[in-house]
Amino acid sequence: GENVEQHPSTLSVQEGDSAVIKCTYSDSASNYFPWYKQELGKRPQLIIDIRSNVGEKKDQRIAVTLNKTAKHFSLHITETQPEDSAVYFCAASFDTGTASKLTFGTGTRLQVTL
Amino acid sequence: GAVVSQHPSWVICKSGTSVKIECRSLDFQATTMFWYRQFPKQSLMLMATSNEGSKATYEQGVEKDKFLINHASLTLSTLTVTSAHPEDSSFYICSYSRGRGETQYFGPGTRLLVL
Repeated sequence: GENVEQHPSTLSVQEGDSAVIKCTYSDSASNYFPWYKQELGKRPQLIIDIRSNVGEKKDQRIAVTLNKTAKHFSLHITETQPEDSAVYFCAASFDTGTASKLTFGTGTRLQVTL
Repeated sequence: GAVVSQHPSWVICKSGTSVKIECRSLDFQATTMFWYRQFPKQSLMLMATSNEGSKATYEQGVEKDKFLINHASLTLSTLTVTSAHPEDSSFYICSYSRGRGETQYFGPGTRLLVL
């Protein structure tokens, strides 16, 4: 099955700096790569996603890049703010039957300090 | 986005009892729903894929007789933790997507504590 590795496990940045989280996946059949933000005790919230036919996608301060050949994708957050502090999960999805299963990375705890 | 609800939001029970968790899609008729489990400070682990009108598909290592899944309608899937034990204490989250290759939207989760 799919295996997703995520680094780093913790990341501390100062407000205004950039944060980068990297993930690798193992199954070349994976074709959809979402990123979720999870605050303590809450549900994961989708913040950005990218499909295998696209190399880069940006939404305001958040961007994601995908390198299919190397099987890795990264989340970039610029101009970080304290409210960006949370746990971020990458995931890789492959199609099965009528839906697509997600395999999650191990998570990155991001702390933005003042 | 999409709207997914779960009930209850938290439950405390005695060891040996069974607990039922409901997951509802409020704005979409979902053929497929997913059930995840998340232990403290860990990632989400897929437990099973719930298919409307048919048997659920369980991930390797998940006991189908312990975690009963029923997807009786297009808007409701239930997870029953049978004979719960303290090691079953966890955060259980459901999700659904509108189809293959589509985004998964998560319910608010149910926190289970087994004493």
